[in-house]
Amino acid sequence: GAVVSQHPSRVICKSGTSVKIECRSLDFQATTMFWYRQFPKQSLMLMATSNEGSKATYEQGVEKDKFLINHASLTLSTLTVTSAHPEDSSFYICSAPVAGEYEQYFGPGTRLTVT
Amino acid sequence: GEDVEQSLFLSVREGDSSVINCTYTDSSSTYLYWYKQEPGAGLQLLTYIFSNMDMKQDQRLTVLLNKKDKHLSLRIADTQTGDSAIYFCAESKRRDDKIIFGKGTRLHILP
Repeated sequence: GAVVSQHPSRVICKSGTSVKIECRSLDFQATTMFWYRQFPKQSLMLMATSNEGSKATYEQGVEKDKFLINHASLTLSTLTVTSAHPEDSSFYICSAPVAGEYEQYFGPGTRLTVT
Repeated sequence: GEDVEQSLFLSVREGDSSVINCTYTDSSSTYLYWYKQEPGAGLQLLTYIFSNMDMKQDQRLTVLLNKKDKHLSLRIADTQTGDSAIYFCAESKRRDDKIIFGKGTRLHILP
């Protein structure tokens, strides 16, 4: 099946700094990617829909100025957590649908810890 | 609105069948999924079912869908220790649409 990678897999940063997380489709083109956040022992909450070549669509309650999404190519979407705070510590997962397939492919996730 | 509900915990003895239940609210849901997540790991798609189906079986897994009641279940036959994980029920309207997840059911296997 198709592969979606994320980088980094784990990151620890200091409060107030910005962190960039990459989501790549390795063997297919993804005009759309989805970003989810998962707090410990909780479900995945959709944060935003990343659209290649246009602005991301954010879910209600997600601050677009804090979680910057850039989908500059058909294989890469980036999520930048700006001015990170400890409450931003979470597991961030991206996914991408593949044309002609029923399954969406999820990345392995990025665990962000803000100290 | 979109909401997916499932019980949070299930304990099953090894060798027995596990049944995880889920309800959803959006009648326009077309694709219904079951995902598995092991500790510290990403998501693994176990199976999916279209809204025009009643049942789907894949080896030890059986999915039942009652569209009228918006109820979905996942049955795992002959539950093994390796089945211990969190199971998420999820739905989407289209194949390439966002996926809405339930809170997950933590399956605990008793010896």
